[in-house]
Amino acid sequence: AQSVSQHNHHVILSEAASLELGCNYSYGGTVNLFWYVQYPGQHLQLLLKYFSGDPLVKGIKGFEAEFIKSKFSFNLRKPSVQWSDTAEYFCAVNAMMNFGNEKLTFGTGTRLTIIP
Amino acid sequence: EAQVTQNPRYLITVTGKKLTVTCSQNMNHEYMSWYRQDPGLGLRQIYYSMNVEVTDKGDVPEGYKVSRKEKRNFPLILESPSPNQTSLYFCASSLFSGRRSYNEQFFGPGTRLTVL
Repeated sequence: AQSVSQHNHHVILSEAASLELGCNYSYGGTVNLFWYVQYPGQHLQLLLKYFSGDPLVKGIKGFEAEFIKSKFSFNLRKPSVQWSDTAEYFCAVNAMMNFGNEKLTFGTGTRLTIIP
Repeated sequence: EAQVTQNPRYLITVTGKKLTVTCSQNMNHEYMSWYRQDPGLGLRQIYYSMNVEVTDKGDVPEGYKVSRKEKRNFPLILESPSPNQTSLYFCASSLFSGRRSYNEQFFGPGTRLTVL
């Protein structure tokens, strides 16, 4: 079964700092990769996704992520964070092995706190 | 507006009192799924449905039931809730994509359930 690891449980940064959140997955086959964000009290929103093609994907709000197949990684980056980026971030994987179940396997999440 | 709705958003109940959390989508999606979110564990799939009258277990189905009598609705039923089912529940839906592709899942706003 696939699994997802997010090594940073809580990250605290000042505004304008650069951000990189780690995500590693375990599955040797074809995967679809996602980053979701959950702002306080709100539901999950899709930040970006990778299905195929260019391994550097750009999402909303200035976020980007790079898929490195050899490292089984899909790290999230943002060059300059804002206070409004304070939220919880989830990496998720869909391993295309379970026909009919579009299940997403989520990491445990990284809580990001931006200090003004 | 395309959306996934859940009701209720907040619920406090007592052990053993049957309850139902409703989920409805207006996007004509075939696939629907329930997840629970717990601190330090991320989101885990409870049940999913590929279409009307087709449901199957996810990773943590114990203590839950679902039904899919209509395409737009996918209620989650707790026949005899217990305190370990205190959690934040999310419903999600997507178009059914088949073996070689994947469609984005849209999430509802969440239902925070407390079982005393």
